[in-house]
Amino acid sequence: DAKTTQPPSMDCAEGRAANLPCNHSTISGNEYVYWYRQIHSQGPQYIIHGLKNNETNEMASLIITEDRKSSTLILPHATLRDTAVYYCIVRVAGGNAGNMLTFGGGTRLMVKP
Amino acid sequence: GAVVSQHPSRVICKSGTSVKIECRSLDFQATTMFWYRQFPKQSLMLMATSNEGSKATYEQGVEKDKFLINHASLTLSTLTVTSAHPEDSSFYICSARDLKAEAFFGQGTRLTVV
Repeated sequence: DAKTTQPPSMDCAEGRAANLPCNHSTISGNEYVYWYRQIHSQGPQYIIHGLKNNETNEMASLIITEDRKSSTLILPHATLRDTAVYYCIVRVAGGNAGNMLTFGGGTRLMVKP
Repeated sequence: GAVVSQHPSRVICKSGTSVKIECRSLDFQATTMFWYRQFPKQSLMLMATSNEGSKATYEQGVEKDKFLINHASLTLSTLTVTSAHPEDSSFYICSARDLKAEAFFGQGTRLTVV
């Protein structure tokens, strides 16, 4: 799986949008961009994933650049409960490749009142 | 989304004893489950990949005789930490893959060896 680079930490004011960047310049054509988050002392939680089009769900939006070398996860109205470590992972979806997720350092998002 | 249940959520054991952690996929069949370990302020590190009905595949540096993995059914995998030592204290997390190959995570197990 391709490697990703994320800032180690970010702060965001409660109620404002949190924009979390991720670089994945070596992403392959069949690799998706996945985002997970891990709240303290819990297992990772799936947020969203995409291939090349922008995606939106009830939790977040995912913006992928046209060259697919970077992406941004957007939490439109951050709350204190969004404080967590956010992991950006690129991987092949489906298939028989084991599909284990390789976690990098992630971004520790601190939402402040 | 799919639910993965991990039990226990916390366990304290004495040095030299063994501890079993269960990981169950509640509403889907998981042909493959993954076990991760996470030390404080660090990221998740894959320990092993468990396939139903076959031997687990361990990552480099993970002792297979110390971390016994059994995946006897499509909904249950267990990790047994044998002869636990204080350095085995960690947060253990399982992940199960559904037929669409999407991964879902358990709540994690905080193991403390005293």
